Amino acid sequence: RKEVEQDPGPFNVPEGATVAFNCTYSNSASQSFFWYRQDCRKEPKLLMSVYSSGNEDGRFTAQLNRASQYISLLIRDSKLSDSATYLCVVSANAGGTSYGKLTFGQGTILTVHP
Amino acid sequence: ETGVTQSPTHLIKTRGQQVTLRCSSQSGHNTVSWYQQALGQGPQFIFQYYREEENGRGNFPPRFSGLQFPNYSSELNVNALELDDSALYLCASSYGGTGGDGKLFFGSGTQLSVL
Repeated sequence: RKEVEQDPGPFNVPEGATVAFNCTYSNSASQSFFWYRQDCRKEPKLLMSVYSSGNEDGRFTAQLNRASQYISLLIRDSKLSDSATYLCVVSANAGGTSYGKLTFGQGTILTVHP
Repeated sequence: ETGVTQSPTHLIKTRGQQVTLRCSSQSGHNTVSWYQQALGQGPQFIFQYYREEENGRGNFPPRFSGLQFPNYSSELNVNALELDDSALYLCASSYGGTGGDGKLFFGSGTQLSVL
């Protein structure tokens, strides 16, 4: 079983749609959780951290359920520029150098069309 | 731009050869992590260097080795290249000391093709 599992998609949605991505992780000792975005042939970039209470950043909402070991990302009012691969990421530790040791899911491909 | 630079951007090698990839970390960062990303997969953690010492290693064989220099730049060396080593190699820098937020900044990667 992979440590971090995501539905690879692809998800094809029209502009303005709401889309949700799900992710599960197997290491119950995981402490830090993130969503990264990766454009084609580019480096991953941090989209947002995910906190236990859930958090929102504009059109993006992230949720974490530690009991179910489940992470989600909701994108509202999709834009063409949201087209990318979304990577679910966990870390077994929090703080210091541990942020560099990340476990990535395989990524979910999103295409937003006009 | 993140301030993390990697060289070269592309590289073609043949099976059995050795390769060295380079990474300059962002100013003020003392930690460098290396990742391998195969096509269609997420990045996989290779190892991390903190203040010139290896500080954690993923599930990669010893033919993957690295260095970090006093200026915190880093090298990834791969010996006895195999076809499956073909991938995008990403370097990420961060500040690993107390008070840092640990945010990771990735370079744009080196695309390695092994023929």
